[in-house]
Amino acid sequence: NAGVTQTPKFQVLKTGQSMTLQCAQDMNHEYMSWYRQDPGMGLRLIHYSVGAGITDQGEVPNGYNVSRSTTEDFPLRLLSAAPSQTSVYFCASSRDLGQENQETQYFGPGTRLLVL
Amino acid sequence: QKEVEQDPGPLSVPEGAIVSLNCTYSNSAFQYFMWYRQYSRKGPELLMYTYSSGNKEDGRFTAQVDKSSKYISLFIRDSQPSDSATYLCAMSRSNFGNEKLTFGTGTRLTIIP
Repeated sequence: NAGVTQTPKFQVLKTGQSMTLQCAQDMNHEYMSWYRQDPGMGLRLIHYSVGAGITDQGEVPNGYNVSRSTTEDFPLRLLSAAPSQTSVYFCASSRDLGQENQETQYFGPGTRLLVL
Repeated sequence: QKEVEQDPGPLSVPEGAIVSLNCTYSNSAFQYFMWYRQYSRKGPELLMYTYSSGNKEDGRFTAQVDKSSKYISLFIRDSQPSDSATYLCAMSRSNFGNEKLTFGTGTRLTIIP
């Protein structure tokens, strides 16, 4: 059971380039999300998905696209990278929390992105 | 004004000391409160989970929630060098799968041997 995995661990992009950050989980979790973590800003939600084929915007969605074709995978696409997208990106997953379930989100190890 | 305020530190304490970490919040709709621990260059991992007001204890860790004051705390007893990490508070209105978590900025803690 690998939990939540993310690739790559580190990436350098030039302004205007596009790329896809990969996220996969093997826990059969319905809910997956992408966060970015910046100094002094904490973790901010970019996009999330409550199941295959269903996605929605979070707090800071501009410049990012997502899709969820399978339960396991939730890639994040940067359409045209900008220096403001330099950040650490975390993918997270959870079961539908509901009721008194004490579960919460499991985070991946992160992808460090530098946009020049 | 941020919905969740957390002193970023850094905070350094000697091994064995009691550590107190705190967050304040402004949204009275928050009902679920969490503390995450994040080691350097790693993802956050859940440490404590509390619903509504009260205390919850797990080993050396105690989480307190005071909804009347909109104030939450995490206490670490008998602190160890392995507790050195950044501690993030997080909260939400519900525990449904699509509920957004609102995070504090994190407090960086160092335990000095």
